[in-house]
Amino acid sequence: EVQLVESGGGLIQPGGSLRLSCAASGFTVSSNYMSWVRQAPGKGLEWVSIIFSGDDTYYADSVKGRFSISRDNSKNTLYLQMNSLRAEDTAVYYCARESSRFGELSMDVWGQGTTVTVSS
Amino acid sequence: DIQMTQSPSSLSASVGDRVTITCRASQSISTYLNWYQQKPGKAPKLLIYAASSLQSGVPSRFSGSGSGTDFTLTISSLQPGDFATYYCQQSYITPTWTFGQGTKVEIK
Repeated sequence: EVQLVESGGGLIQPGGSLRLSCAASGFTVSSNYMSWVRQAPGKGLEWVSIIFSGDDTYYADSVKGRFSISRDNSKNTLYLQMNSLRAEDTAVYYCARESSRFGELSMDVWGQGTTVTVSS
Repeated sequence: DIQMTQSPSSLSASVGDRVTITCRASQSISTYLNWYQQKPGKAPKLLIYAASSLQSGVPSRFSGSGSGTDFTLTISSLQPGDFATYYCQQSYITPTWTFGQGTKVEIK
């Protein structure tokens, strides 16, 4: 079964760091594009970051310079390292697999989400 | 950045109704448009990709259309499990994706 399971969320003080994990099963993280998307409480979806199969990485302006996406192929796991956290980073964080069809990308597999709360 | 604007922001409908949600892009995005359904406390689910292609396993009452700047998601006959929030998302500008603000479909 194709599945993504996130972990690592929690309560963290402003300025702190947290690393989210996203364990994949049923497919190989290394050969797929993978994204992180977040959702602040009561708000819509916001794309955060993507890693391409060639290891190119990109970030939303709101997290650029603070967050880092990576993967461990031996563990088939995606990560999001979050530094210098701010209150506005409070959200549920989802990892998602990007699927390419007709040359267009869409997020066809999602994890259940992990909650990050930044508060003192 | 490409802005995605959905309308309406919310709607009330009855089981069996035909429901249409619109998504407009701030510039042409060809057919690089996806639709997702999200239920409370759950992850989003892909419904439609490339503007009009039905994701595997999604009921055929869902359909998408459009190209350029104007897109539509249609539910031909609303079912109880369809009450949810729907989001459009552009994947034209790689890799900076943007979502619409969402349309909440509620029970009348």
